[in-house]
Amino acid sequence: KAGVTQTPRYLIKTRGQQVTLSCSPISGHRSVSWYQQTPGQGLQFLFEYFSETQRNKGNFPGRFSGRQFSNSRSEMNVSTLELGDSALYLCASSLGDRARSGNTIYFGEGSWLTVV
Amino acid sequence: LAKTTQPVSMDSYEGQEVNITCSHNNIATNDYITWYQQFPSQGPRFIIQGYKTKVTNEVASLFIPADRKSSTLSLPRVSLSDTAVYYCLVAAGNKLTFGGGTRVLVKP
Repeated sequence: KAGVTQTPRYLIKTRGQQVTLSCSPISGHRSVSWYQQTPGQGLQFLFEYFSETQRNKGNFPGRFSGRQFSNSRSEMNVSTLELGDSALYLCASSLGDRARSGNTIYFGEGSWLTVV
Repeated sequence: LAKTTQPVSMDSYEGQEVNITCSHNNIATNDYITWYQQFPSQGPRFIIQGYKTKVTNEVASLFIPADRKSSTLSLPRVSLSDTAVYYCLVAAGNKLTFGGGTRVLVKP
């Protein structure tokens, strides 16, 4: 069974540009969540989608947005990139509605974004 | 809101048992704790998950005391390949809170 797949794995963008990252969850999983990982801030929750609806959102500015499609695939978008947005962006999926009730979250390998 | 803390780092030797504790507060009786292992340039990999007492699988054990103010990941007989960063994740209500990660170095 394939794991969580994220594309692209690496990308470099210029400050002020926008970027879209894609995520394909594990087959059958309906919940997708996104995280930002940086050396200074650790792992931080961005947002979560379940059945195409955003269920929860972390403390990030409105430049960070996402969506989920009917096939459970998800995309996240960051507009007006800043140098501080350089990070590893991780997507994760779970069978049901998140880690509550014991739904295990499985992570992808991440997308490395460098903003120059 | 659960605030989770872990030791920043710990060293061990091959064949030893490694215990990593995650301290958290204000979690309910059915809030789950999950542990992940992360290698450089890779996503976190699931190790074990539970919400009470003790859970064991083929690679680790998870101990959660009755007061639920902490949880301990136990890795029996570590090898060099267990050198990684280990994260605890507390799912409390609608909140997901990660610990800061514990960098484990296994020495020969």
